[in-house]
Amino acid sequence: NAGVTQTPKFQVLKTGQSMTLQCAQDMNHNSMYWYRQDPGMGLRLIYYSASEGTTDKGEVPNGYNVSRLNKREFSLRLESAAPSQTSVYFCAASHSVLAGVAYEQYFGPGTRLTVT
Amino acid sequence: TQLLEQSPQFLSIQEGENLTVYCNSSSVFSSLQWYRQEPGEGPVLLVTVVTGGEVKKLKRLTFQFGDARKDSSLHITAAQPGDTGLYLCVFVDSNYQLIWGAGTKLIIKP
Repeated sequence: NAGVTQTPKFQVLKTGQSMTLQCAQDMNHNSMYWYRQDPGMGLRLIYYSASEGTTDKGEVPNGYNVSRLNKREFSLRLESAAPSQTSVYFCAASHSVLAGVAYEQYFGPGTRLTVT
Repeated sequence: TQLLEQSPQFLSIQEGENLTVYCNSSSVFSSLQWYRQEPGEGPVLLVTVVTGGEVKKLKRLTFQFGDARKDSSLHITAAQPGDTGLYLCVFVDSNYQLIWGAGTKLIIKP
């Protein structure tokens, strides 16, 4: 079992370029998440998908779009990259989110993105 | 806005010392999790606490959930260099939102 995989691991973009970060999980979990992590700010939720076919905005969705292609795959797209989007991006998967119930989230290894 | 505050933000101690880090909220939550993140990797779950006053032990790590379910602490006994990492707490609020603390960066020096 690979768990949660992310590609690429590193990426450098120029301002205005676009790219898609890929995420796949082989644990058959319903919920998937995209986070960004900046120094001193912990994890901030960009988008999440509670189940196949649904996506919702998190805390910091501006400048991003997502696609839940199927149960396994959840991609994050930057249409026009900006230096403020320089960060480490993590994808995660878990059982379905219920109000007040915290299920274990399984994280990928991250994508380190630099926008110049 | 619900916030989850973690303290201290940064802690550097010698191997063998004890330490406690804290996670506090202005809101009551039904459950809370602690994760550890090592450099260059994603966070990994350490524990989930559910009941007010609950205490869980994981080897040298002791987790406590406050009676009022608004705070939690993580105590490490006889810290080792392998405990080095970023310790994050998180809970799911009633609106299905995941609320993460900013983390405590812990360095254990040999």
